[in-house]
Amino acid sequence: NAGVMQNPRHLVRRRGQEARLRCSPMKGHSHVYWYRQLPEEGLKFMVYLQKENIIDESGMPKERFSAEFPKEGPSILRIQQVVRGDSAAYFCASSPDQGAQETQYFGPGTRLLVL
Amino acid sequence: GDSVTQMEGPVTLSEEAFLTINCTYTATGYPSLFWYVQYPGEGLQLLLKATKADDKGSNKGFEATYRKETTSFHLEKGSVQVSDSAVYFCALSDGTSGSRLTFGEGTQLTVNP
Repeated sequence: NAGVMQNPRHLVRRRGQEARLRCSPMKGHSHVYWYRQLPEEGLKFMVYLQKENIIDESGMPKERFSAEFPKEGPSILRIQQVVRGDSAAYFCASSPDQGAQETQYFGPGTRLLVL
Repeated sequence: GDSVTQMEGPVTLSEEAFLTINCTYTATGYPSLFWYVQYPGEGLQLLLKATKADDKGSNKGFEATYRKETTSFHLEKGSVQVSDSAVYFCALSDGTSGSRLTFGEGTQLTVNP
């Protein structure tokens, strides 16, 4: 059973370009979470999605960031007009169900570098 | 809101030493508590978890006990190995937004031979 997959693993963008990060959850998991890890910091929650629905986006910056989890295909985190401060590792996690007791399984992350 | 506080790192130990990484939390309700480990350049792996007070999570020689009275979930291992060198994150989930996790800042552990 393949784990959570993310691609690309590394992404370099120039200021003003768009970044698209992809996440395929574990088979059978319908709950997806995105987290951001800034250098030398812990992970911060960004958004929680179920198939075709954004459930909680309270951790997403109000501008330039968006996320989706379509009926078919991977979840996408999109960053428009990137700035240097967006440089970070972005991790996706999935769980089979919701609730405090559920374990989240993490992907290897996408490391975004904005030049 | 929820928060997790970990002891500041980095922590450097010699092989076979005893390890403690402190973790305390603030949360509403009855959260579940987790320890995740991150090896260089990789994602997070679940190390252990506890879902209710007085539960003890254990895995690979690591253990942590959910102490509601002190709101703590300290990680311990009796004899560390070089291969345990990694960053350790304490986290909680209160179930208010799916299984959303609130993380501590992480503790870098280096074990020298």
